[in-house]
Amino acid sequence: QQPVQSPQAVILREGEDAVINCSSSKALYSVHWYRQKHGEAPVFLMILLKGGEQMRHEKISASFNEKKQQSSLYLTASQLSYSGTYFCGTEVNSGYALNFGKGTSLLVTP
Amino acid sequence: EAGVTQFPSHSVIEKGQTVTLRCDPISGHDNLYWYRRVMGKEIKFLLHFVKESKQDESGMPNNRFLAERTGGTYSTLKVQPAELEDSGVYFCASSHSTGFITNTEAFFGQGTRLTVV
Repeated sequence: QQPVQSPQAVILREGEDAVINCSSSKALYSVHWYRQKHGEAPVFLMILLKGGEQMRHEKISASFNEKKQQSSLYLTASQLSYSGTYFCGTEVNSGYALNFGKGTSLLVTP
Repeated sequence: EAGVTQFPSHSVIEKGQTVTLRCDPISGHDNLYWYRRVMGKEIKFLLHFVKESKQDESGMPNNRFLAERTGGTYSTLKVQPAELEDSGVYFCASSHSTGFITNTEAFFGQGTRLTVV
């Protein structure tokens, strides 16, 4: 079952912060975050594993609440290069294929 | 290191025709995945290969879709005959697995945009 992402779209000014959420109705083994720029391949940002620590990629960090089966992606002091569509992919068990959300479109303006 | 490459980048075909998409994963990656994104919707899982074997094909929409991975290297996804609702972007991804540790990042190709008219 596909996870639900919110919000669907965000517009930020450079330097502002944003949070993107990803929720699943199923117990999860891991959550993967990807960013896709228009016309390009989705690029891996980070994996959060069940029982693992909060992860960080540059100024982007994410957490995974196992009890709620939710993950949040925190974009701090956003940069223009953060613009793109962010997808969360969830894995119900190790080795299973990812189920992706619909994506959150993020636009950072000067 | 070359990334995941997909051919063609765009394909426009008429309803009822056949189209074959190709994916070349990163060399040495045992896991190969096919995904599809229909406009405005989520990226949906289609199929997962481990080497040449189909690990999970539960996402394949119907028997008009046939995926192969001969020799465990590149993979093809054939749609025959194509229908209008098959339009979308087809992504391929690959990942390396070490024993039972498969929670590694997947590398995506740029996708093939298929338009059925």
